[in-house]
Amino acid sequence: AQKITQTQPGMFVQEKEAVTLDCTYDTSDQSYGLFWYKQPSSGEMIFLIYQGSYDEQNATEGRYSLNFQKARKSANLVISASQLGDSAMYFCAMREGRGGYQKVTFGIGTKLQVIP
Amino acid sequence: DVKVTQSSRYLVKRTGEKVFLECVQDMDHENMFWYRQDPGLGLRLIYFSYDVKMKEKGDIPEGYSVSREKKERFSLILESASTNQTSMYLCASSPRVAGISYEQYFGPGTRLTVT
Repeated sequence: AQKITQTQPGMFVQEKEAVTLDCTYDTSDQSYGLFWYKQPSSGEMIFLIYQGSYDEQNATEGRYSLNFQKARKSANLVISASQLGDSAMYFCAMREGRGGYQKVTFGIGTKLQVIP
Repeated sequence: DVKVTQSSRYLVKRTGEKVFLECVQDMDHENMFWYRQDPGLGLRLIYFSYDVKMKEKGDIPEGYSVSREKKERFSLILESASTNQTSMYLCASSPRVAGISYEQYFGPGTRLTVT
């Protein structure tokens, strides 16, 4: 079974609009972490935001926020006021495991294109 | 600034050759990871290591092995390269604080072509 599911292969958003990228996850661990990364066409992987499973508040980092719904096992990324530079691949990832054994797996990604 | 470096940006090898991909990080991170990235498949975990000499299989370890003799260095080995191992290989490291692993820092990637 997929640990991380991203169901939107591609998304378009108008510049200055908000966009939500979907991510659902599957784990039986009580302690886990969720991450979002951005990969522009240059290829570098850029960390955006992190949410721990015990964090009660949704994580926010500037224009990025993570809509964490634990019961639904979803961790959607919301980008507000989209900019042309937001055009990139976006990956959701999950850390699970305990002690030293902490595996991190990724979804297949969503390609976001921001339209002027 | 955290820096993760990979030994080559581009590599071309022949089928059957033994291939070494090296990754070095300079931030004393406990965790290190090797992924391969293929279009439509995202990043798939090959192996990871949470300490020197410790290694754990990821989701697609077949055909690969790893070595971590020093904390800063994590090597990926293709014992006998095959054409289906043509891919982009990404190395990452992450810190572990109070038992929790945080965000990963990625290297620039090695694009390996096996002919």
